[in-house]
Amino acid sequence: SYELTQPPSVSVSPGQTARITCSGDALPKKYAYWYQQKSGQAPVLVIYEDSKRPSGIPERFSGSSSGTMATLTISGAQVEDEADYYCYSTDSSATYRVFGGGTKLTVL
Amino acid sequence: QVQLVQSGSELKKPGASVKVSCKASGYTFTGYAMSWVRQAPGQGLEWMGWINTNTGNPMYGQGFTGRFVFSLDTSVSTAYLQISSLKTEDTAVYFCGRYSSSSGAFDIWGQGTMVTVSS
Repeated sequence: SYELTQPPSVSVSPGQTARITCSGDALPKKYAYWYQQKSGQAPVLVIYEDSKRPSGIPERFSGSSSGTMATLTISGAQVEDEADYYCYSTDSSATYRVFGGGTKLTVL
Repeated sequence: QVQLVQSGSELKKPGASVKVSCKASGYTFTGYAMSWVRQAPGQGLEWMGWINTNTGNPMYGQGFTGRFVFSLDTSVSTAYLQISSLKTEDTAVYFCGRYSSSSGAFDIWGQGTMVTVSS
């Protein structure tokens, strides 16, 4: 089965840049999506189609993808950005969707 | 406004069945597929599959065939997830999510339904 691999945790100080990676064999051909999930809440889409930002998402959130790795970047991370972040994509046949294991972002 | 509202928490015994609902409002229900996502306690998100709200055709993710059934009632803009022969490992929060084919994203989510399976 297809898998997306994320680091379990990333920690930064407020105002620093946080980078969360997601690796998967199909990412050169398939878009990556990123979701933010705060404790006890539903996920929220923060990046779609590798690098597009939905309306209402702060400009400090950006995404990129190169080869088999997609990256979510939070420039000038804020305390309120503390959350679990999940990448999401499809396998090469676009049959199955999969989430990465999630990355806990700590900002302190 | 566009929203998905799910049914409340459930407590079930092993072997029982449960049906979770997801009511859509603020948009054309049949214009977007509906997906289901599971999150076990302290764990990550798992894509369970989705249902085409035009045709009613479901697609189930790996590990979610057999005991899991997606269904619709388009007259009330509601999607359902039914799980039969419940096991303790089915204890989780179940989310519905609207799938936008234009962006490929789950852009709107329900608040989640906690299903607890315990004897």
